[in-house]
Amino acid sequence: QVQLQESGPGLVKPSETLSLTCVVSGYSISSGYFWGWIRQPPGKGLEWIGSIHQSGKAYYNPSLKSRVTISVDTSKNEFALGLSFVTAADTAVYYCARQDDIFGLEQLVPLYFDCWGKGSLVTVSS
Amino acid sequence: ERAMTQSPVTLSVSPGERVTLSCRASHTISNNLAWYQHKPGQAPRLLIYGASTRATGIPARFSGSGSGTEFTLTINSLQSEDFAVYYCQQYNNWQMSTFGQGTKLELK
Repeated sequence: QVQLQESGPGLVKPSETLSLTCVVSGYSISSGYFWGWIRQPPGKGLEWIGSIHQSGKAYYNPSLKSRVTISVDTSKNEFALGLSFVTAADTAVYYCARQDDIFGLEQLVPLYFDCWGKGSLVTVSS
Repeated sequence: ERAMTQSPVTLSVSPGERVTLSCRASHTISNNLAWYQHKPGQAPRLLIYGASTRATGIPARFSGSGSGTEFTLTINSLQSEDFAVYYCQQYNNWQMSTFGQGTKLELK
């Protein structure tokens, strides 16, 4: 059974970098799929942040692209999120998830999220 | 950006009822739509993908339909464990996945 677990600091100061890791168990990241990050600010809906394939190919939400880095470490079977220059608006529950894919348009295309972590609350405050 | 609009925002229902949730896309997305169930403190759960295909282990009382810009999630004979927030997600524009704002099912 595939399981994902987010980890990282629960409190980050404004202007600093938010860093989270998602450890995957029950499935090898090297075997495929995209791996994504989604967040939910308090009282709001879900916002996709970005996704990465084990090959390193990544897609980011254009509204966050300048501040986001997503990386994958197949040796540790984990992937990570970095979000720089955070403000209070970045306070949210951050979820990691596995994203199914399909080969189309001569490349791998990410689809829906079939397995999620329980989420990690990150608060941006001084 | 493919904006996704869900309605209603909140739906008050009783166990045993049949409920229909709507999701509308600002541009046509074919059948590239998924539905998720989200309970407080839990991981979101994939219910439906491809607009109408139930994910593994999802009870038959959940069904999805639609194509293009109009989609529905129907729950037949609502169970107590179905009270949650439901989100739709389009993945037609695969470089920019977007979610609806959610519909909350609450006990009447």
